[in-house]
Amino acid sequence: NAGVTQTPKFQVLKTGQSMTLQCAQDMNHNSMYWYRQDPGMGLRLIYYSASEGTTDKGEVPNGYNVSRLNKREFSLRLESAAPSQTSVYFCASELAGTNQPQHFGDGTRLSIL
Amino acid sequence: GQQVMQIPQYQHVQEGEDFTTYCNSSTTLSNIQWYKQRPGGHPVFLIQLVKSGEVKKQKRLTFQFGEAKKNSSLHITATQTTDVGTYFCAGLNGNQFYFGTGTSLTVIP
Repeated sequence: NAGVTQTPKFQVLKTGQSMTLQCAQDMNHNSMYWYRQDPGMGLRLIYYSASEGTTDKGEVPNGYNVSRLNKREFSLRLESAAPSQTSVYFCASELAGTNQPQHFGDGTRLSIL
Repeated sequence: GQQVMQIPQYQHVQEGEDFTTYCNSSTTLSNIQWYKQRPGGHPVFLIQLVKSGEVKKQKRLTFQFGEAKKNSSLHITATQTTDVGTYFCAGLNGNQFYFGTGTSLTVIP
């Protein structure tokens, strides 16, 4: 039982390049989330998907797009990467509603030069 | 902007000393969750508090949710080296969780 799997684990991009971060969960969870973690800022919500077929903006959505491909997969896309998007990105999933624990992937460490 | 503040940002303690981190929100929260993140790792769920004034314990860890549901605390009694990591609170407001900035705990053997 893998839980939440994120790929890739590390990536270096040049400014202006595009990239998709992948996330998959095998726990049959309904809700999925994308966060970014920066020093001194905690985790900030980028986008979330309460259920298959729905997505909503979080606290810091600018510069990102998401796709809830199916119940298992929730991808995050950077269309034109900027140095300010250098961060650690975490995907998380939750069974249903907002009274459940969030289960996090191992993260993607993204550097944009 | 950031709705949930957490203090202190860093804490160094001698092994065996107690540790407390505080979480404060500008708005009333529906519930609050606590997570622990080991260095280089990902956040791991510890506990959830839902009721006003709720207190929960997990071995040496004591979690409290304020009466007004705007603040919370995590207290560790007699810290051990295995307690090292960053502790985050996450408050639910509306349909989004807002994470605190985290408290990084260092335990000196």
